[in-house]
Amino acid sequence: QVQLVQSGAEVKKPGSSVKVSCKISGETFSTYGVNWVRQAPGQGLEWMAGSIPIFRTTNFAQKFQGRVSIITDESTNTAYMELSGLRSDDTAIYYCATRNLNGLSSFWGQGTLVTVSS
Amino acid sequence: EIVLTQSPGTLSLSPGERATLSCRASQSFTSGALAWYQKKRGQAPRLLIYGVSSRATGIPDRFSGSGSGTDFTLTINRLEPEDFAVYYCQQYGSSAIFGQGTKLEIK
Repeated sequence: QVQLVQSGAEVKKPGSSVKVSCKISGETFSTYGVNWVRQAPGQGLEWMAGSIPIFRTTNFAQKFQGRVSIITDESTNTAYMELSGLRSDDTAIYYCATRNLNGLSSFWGQGTLVTVSS
Repeated sequence: EIVLTQSPGTLSLSPGERATLSCRASQSFTSGALAWYQKKRGQAPRLLIYGVSSRATGIPDRFSGSGSGTDFTLTINRLEPEDFAVYYCQQYGSSAIFGQGTKLEIK
């Protein structure tokens, strides 16, 4: 059974960065890539970025280009998403999900609440 | 960039009824890379349908997907109490985009 476990909630100041981790078990990120999706309060789901480590490719939604980075540590089966230049409207629950070669997200982490507040 | 528009915004039905949710794309895509997710408050999204009409593992057969080109539909037959949630369509591939969601509520 594939499981993704994310790091805990974060409170950050505007202008700072946050790094969310996502550890996979039951499979590896060599088999699956990872997608990152967020949901702001009262809003819908928003795809941010995704990577496929075996192809060393990462794709970003245009609005996050230059602000988000994804790192996959295959030795620990952990993926990281770092978002910089935080603003109040980055307050959201951030989800990681497995990504197959077609880009489909089948298995999801439990979500990480990131609150940006001064 | 493709835009996905879901309708209706809110659908009020009773258990046992059939729900029909629509997802319209701003341009046709022939890849068939259209998925549906169920989202409940406090829970992660749950994959229901992928490739327009294939049910994900463990999804009951009362859930079905159909469509092509720019128009796609999620149908839920014989609504169960646990089916009341928000549903999102998604076009996936090298990038991805979600529709804005349809809230299915108990009438």
